[in-house]
Amino acid sequence: EVQLVESGGDLVQPGGSLRLSCAASGFSFNMYWMHWVRQAPGQGLVWVSRIDSDGRSATYADSVKGRFTISRDNTKNTLYLQMNSLRVEDTAVYYCVRDSRYVPDMWGQGTMVTVSS
Amino acid sequence: QTVVSQEPSFSVSPGGTVTLTCGLSSGSVSTDYYPSWYQQTPGQPPRRLVYSTNTRSSGVPDRFSGSILGNRAALTITGAQAEDECDYHCVLYLGSGIWMFGGGTKLAIL
Repeated sequence: EVQLVESGGDLVQPGGSLRLSCAASGFSFNMYWMHWVRQAPGQGLVWVSRIDSDGRSATYADSVKGRFTISRDNTKNTLYLQMNSLRVEDTAVYYCVRDSRYVPDMWGQGTMVTVSS
Repeated sequence: QTVVSQEPSFSVSPGGTVTLTCGLSSGSVSTDYYPSWYQQTPGQPPRRLVYSTNTRSSGVPDRFSGSILGNRAALTITGAQAEDECDYHCVLYLGSGIWMFGGGTKLAIL
């Protein structure tokens, strides 16, 4: 079965760190760009970051630049998001999303990150 | 700063036709932005309906169609059904691996 499964979401205090993981299965993970997209409660979708298929190039939204790092391990078919210096406004469901020809085509179920004291 | 805009809410009668749109603050939306549309119900991840302007995803009913209308991307639902009541999101590709989503449209079937 083709799927993406996120994990690692948790409750963390402002200023804290968290690492999200996304396990991919059922497709050739190393052939696809991958993204993280987040959605705050009751809000719209917001693009966070993208990494190319071999992990050499990454892009970030201004709101997370310098605090978040996207990476991947193609030997483990896993995507990561290291989140440091977390803020209350980072509270959201974080989705792992596969990129197919510049378009989101597959989404995981999401993992909830709550930043609160 | 580039902003992608959608109607915050819309309503349509059962069996009616509705067109949701997606605009770009910096100019016109064209096929070069690969406009795509997603449907989302509460507690679920988005489901792709239409991508690259007008290609329907597998399994999506043909009452959903995508196009460019004037300077905006559009999603038209022809013969709306009760189960179409949910949120709709558009996304544009800005280049360099960057996606930008609209704020979403909440569609009511009244």
